[in-house]
Amino acid sequence: GENVEQHPSTLSVQEGDSAVIKCTYSDSASNYFPWYKQELGKGPQLIIDIRSNVGEKKDQRIAVTLNKTAKHFSLHITETQPEDSAVYFCAASKDTGNQFYFGTGTSLTVIP
Amino acid sequence: KAGVTQTPRYLIKTRGQQVTLSCSPISGHRSVSWYQQTPGQGLQFLFEYFSETQRNKGNFPGRFSGRQFSNSRSEMNVSTLELGDSALYLCASSLGSGLNTEAFFGQGTRLTVV
Repeated sequence: GENVEQHPSTLSVQEGDSAVIKCTYSDSASNYFPWYKQELGKGPQLIIDIRSNVGEKKDQRIAVTLNKTAKHFSLHITETQPEDSAVYFCAASKDTGNQFYFGTGTSLTVIP
Repeated sequence: KAGVTQTPRYLIKTRGQQVTLSCSPISGHRSVSWYQQTPGQGLQFLFEYFSETQRNKGNFPGRFSGRQFSNSRSEMNVSTLELGDSALYLCASSLGSGLNTEAFFGQGTRLTVV
């Protein structure tokens, strides 16, 4: 089956700095890669996603890049704000339905 | 547009009992997936239902089961509860008509087994 690894497990940045979270996947058949943000006491919230036919996608301060050859994808958050503090999860899925394989999560702290 | 609704939000059960959790997806969504979230194992896929049929199944014992109704609402059942079943159970809703479409999560049901 698919194995998704995520690094780092914790990340602290100063407000205004950038944050980068990296994930690797093992199954070359995976073709959809969403990122979720989970705040305390809440369910994961979809923040951005990318499909395997695209190398990069951006939405305001958030961007995701995908390298299919190396089987890794990354989340980039620029101009971080305290409200960006949360746990972020990457995930991968294949064309077999909505079954996601999640990374272990990155706890991001933005220091004011 | 209402989001994904999971009920109840919290449950406390005794070992050996059974429990049923409910998930109402976003209107128009036909796929519902269930996940177990624990500090040790992270987010693990349980199963996915689409148009009342189980489309995918994770590696959980048969004590974990689910179903989906004609209105796309879904329930999951855990029988003979064990202490290790204590977790946050999340359901995710998606259109499902195409494969791997955007999935939106509910707030989860926190199950504690004592």
